[in-house]
Amino acid sequence: GAGVSQSPRYKVAKRGQDVALRCDPISGHVSLFWYQQALGQGPEFLTYFQNEAQLDKSGLPSDRFFAERPEGSVSTLKIQRTQQEDSAVYLCASSYSLGAYEQYFGPGTRLTVT
Amino acid sequence: DQQVKQNSPSLSVQEGRISILNCDYTNSMFDYFLWYKKYPAEGPTFLISISSIKDKNEDGRFTVFLNKSAKHLSLHIVPSQPGDSAVYFCAASELNEKLTFGTGTRLTIIP
Repeated sequence: GAGVSQSPRYKVAKRGQDVALRCDPISGHVSLFWYQQALGQGPEFLTYFQNEAQLDKSGLPSDRFFAERPEGSVSTLKIQRTQQEDSAVYLCASSYSLGAYEQYFGPGTRLTVT
Repeated sequence: DQQVKQNSPSLSVQEGRISILNCDYTNSMFDYFLWYKKYPAEGPTFLISISSIKDKNEDGRFTVFLNKSAKHLSLHIVPSQPGDSAVYFCAASELNEKLTFGTGTRLTIIP
């Protein structure tokens, strides 16, 4: 079956612009996670959802970051007034349920803020 | 505070030999550990995992060992193949929530 997909794959934004990153999880997967990966680092947790409920947003770096999953499937990560330090790869992952440890990742969106 | 550490940024191994990748952690509440493999411009791909109640899990050429008292785990790949060249991330989970990743080890298999 289809894996996790993310769009766009690449995004260049001028500092101060708003961006929206989309994630389509594997069909039927209940849990959805967002991670941020800076160059040369491992992915770092941002937030996660079980169905449409956002259960943990402790990793969001500032109130400029906002995530939603209104119908419990597709999710959008929005970054307002982008800053240069927001430049990173944003990874989305899904898992079958909150009881499943293995998370399956999409290809990521590389965001470059100029 | 880096709770999961991979102290070797890179490793080169001859094709056919054993590759051993290491990972240390500090949070004793972690109860599940995973290894992911990542190629350039792709997302991490799940490789193998182990529960904290076990000390070994094997899947084909891949074996993960867990030493809870030392807070250390390792991934063994044998025999190593050219397609194994990638960045490997160790990750840990507490109560099956978010994953905490190490910084990765770049493995290069020399033909």
